[in-house]
Amino acid sequence: SQTIHQWPATLVQPVGSPLSLECTVEGTSNPNLYWYRQAAGRGLQLLFYSVGIGQISSEVPQNLSASRPQDRQFILSSKKLLLSDSGFYLCALTGQGYSPLHFGNGTRLTVT
Amino acid sequence: SQQGEEDPQALSIQEGENATMNCSYKTSINNLQWYRQNSGRGLVHLILIRSNEREKHSGRLRVTLDTSKKSSSLLITASRAADTASYFCATDQGYGQNFVFGPGTRLSVLP
Repeated sequence: SQTIHQWPATLVQPVGSPLSLECTVEGTSNPNLYWYRQAAGRGLQLLFYSVGIGQISSEVPQNLSASRPQDRQFILSSKKLLLSDSGFYLCALTGQGYSPLHFGNGTRLTVT
Repeated sequence: SQQGEEDPQALSIQEGENATMNCSYKTSINNLQWYRQNSGRGLVHLILIRSNEREKHSGRLRVTLDTSKKSSSLLITASRAADTASYFCATDQGYGQNFVFGPGTRLSVLP
């Protein structure tokens, strides 16, 4: 079965520091991968999605970036965090066709 | 713009009662999906209903879809305390890559 690993589970970072969140998947090949952000008590905002290695689409202009160096690895980065980057970051995948999203357990980021 | 909007924002019921949550959306869709999120965790897919379907069942879940009204409802029958969670609808416009989520309904089932 498909498994998504996200780490760390929680992270506290100062404003202006860099960020790297990693997501790796198991049990599937050539998935579509997604990064979502969820503000407290809110819905999910799509940040990036990737249909293959090196292929990244950005949905929201911001100081975040994403990379997909391997088929089953998706990385979310920032060079300098802002207070507004605080939130719950979720990695997700879909298989081929119109399959539903399968989510990891997320990383709660607090920027202080 | 926000595609899915759940209603109500919060719902509190007693164990054993039924819970109904609604979702409205704005543009045509390929399918609509419902997800559940326990506090501090990732979302879990519950059920997917395609645009040519009107009703779907899965255990204690019943989902309806009215494409003419651009709305869907999720019914949880005989609720349990373990059903306490946030529930989200998400629409897929057919591209299979951009699922648009609503803000969710927070369901509390009291024992």
